[in-house]
Amino acid sequence: AQTVTQSQPEMSVQEAETVTLSCTYDTSESDYYLFWYKQPPSRQMILVIRQEAYKQQNATENRFSVNFQKAAKSFSLKISDSQLGDAAMYFCAYRRRGGSEKLVFGKGTKLTVNP
Amino acid sequence: DSGVTQTPKHLITATGQRVTLRCSPRSGDLSVYWYQQSLDQGLQFLIQYYNGEERAKGNILERFSAQQFPDLHSELNLSSLELGDSALYFCASSKGLGQDNEKLFFGSGTQLSVL
Repeated sequence: AQTVTQSQPEMSVQEAETVTLSCTYDTSESDYYLFWYKQPPSRQMILVIRQEAYKQQNATENRFSVNFQKAAKSFSLKISDSQLGDAAMYFCAYRRRGGSEKLVFGKGTKLTVNP
Repeated sequence: DSGVTQTPKHLITATGQRVTLRCSPRSGDLSVYWYQQSLDQGLQFLIQYYNGEERAKGNILERFSAQQFPDLHSELNLSSLELGDSALYFCASSKGLGQDNEKLFFGSGTQLSVL
């Protein structure tokens, strides 16, 4: 079974600085998707960024980028120029490609942004 | 706003009771997914329906059941409730079966408290 591990229960960053959230996963599949979701206090699950495992290029969405290391099964999220609105729980998730597949989530990392 | 509507937002009930959680997917989405978010288990996939038919099943207890109606809204029924069932229950929707490039859109969740 696939598992997703986020080893940092909590992280903090100063406004305007950069922070990296870690995620590792375990799978025997070669083709899959990885995601970072943000859950602010409103509880809404918001997709931040997505990476296809077959793409070597790291995904980027504005201030959010990932460092995808397939061999190491590592998928970290970098937030640049952190803003107060970035404060939230961040969840790393995995989904096998193809078919009707569930998302497997990590336990989450709580990010605090200090002014 | 994701376009996925969940009602009620909060639900407080007693052990042994039965509740129904409702989800309306985004317009045009045929798949509905149910996830449970609890402090100890994290986010776990419960069940998926596609166009009225059950497509995938996760860690859903026998006391729980779901269905998707012809108008595509879905209901999650939780019976013989226990304290451990207290959690945030999310509904998500997607256009098709959740394959490949399809995005999953989450509702704001129903917070269930069993006292």
